[in-house]
Amino acid sequence: QAHLVESGGGVVPPGKSVTLSCEASGFDFSSHGMHWVRRAPGKGLEWVAIIWFRGDTEYYAESVRGRFTISRENPKNTLYLQMNSLRVEDTAVYYCARDSGNKTVYGYSDLWGRGTLVTVSS
Amino acid sequence: EVVMTQSPATLSVSPGERATLSCRASGRLGTNLAWYQQKPGQAPRLLIYGASIRATGIPVRFSGGGSGTDFTLTISSLQSEDSAFYYCQQYNHWPHLSFGGGTKVEIK
Repeated sequence: QAHLVESGGGVVPPGKSVTLSCEASGFDFSSHGMHWVRRAPGKGLEWVAIIWFRGDTEYYAESVRGRFTISRENPKNTLYLQMNSLRVEDTAVYYCARDSGNKTVYGYSDLWGRGTLVTVSS
Repeated sequence: EVVMTQSPATLSVSPGERATLSCRASGRLGTNLAWYQQKPGQAPRLLIYGASIRATGIPVRFSGGGSGTDFTLTISSLQSEDSAFYYCQQYNHWPHLSFGGGTKVEIK
């Protein structure tokens, strides 16, 4: 059964960095683009970033561009999100999600993890 | 960037009644729109893609409609387990994928 499990969240001071991981299992990870999506407390879902299945193309939301980096290691079935220069407004549950395309990218997600909470606070 | 606006913010419906959720885009999407359901503490679940195509395993009481800028998600006969947040997402305007603010569906 296909599964995504995020890890790496916690309490981080403003201005510091953290790297989230997402471990995939039960499907061919190297054939799917992958997204990060977040949900801040009391707010709705916000798309953060996408990486193509080969890892050769990335896009970011304006709110995180230049501070966050999405990457992947296909042999390890793992997705990452390096988050630098963190701000209080980055506080959210971060979800990794599989793009529904197989060896292509559609832009919507058919498999999600349960998320990991990042709290930016001094 | 395309802004997605969902209405109403909260919808209170009796079991067995119909629930209709709206999603409006600030730019034309064709049918490149998806709907997700999220219950507290759970991962979001894909309900609809292509504006009207039910995802695998989604009950037939969920249906999507619309094209261009105006879309709807209808739950034909609300069940207690349908209490959740519902989000629309556009995937027509790359690279700025965007979600609506969500509609909370409550059971009366």
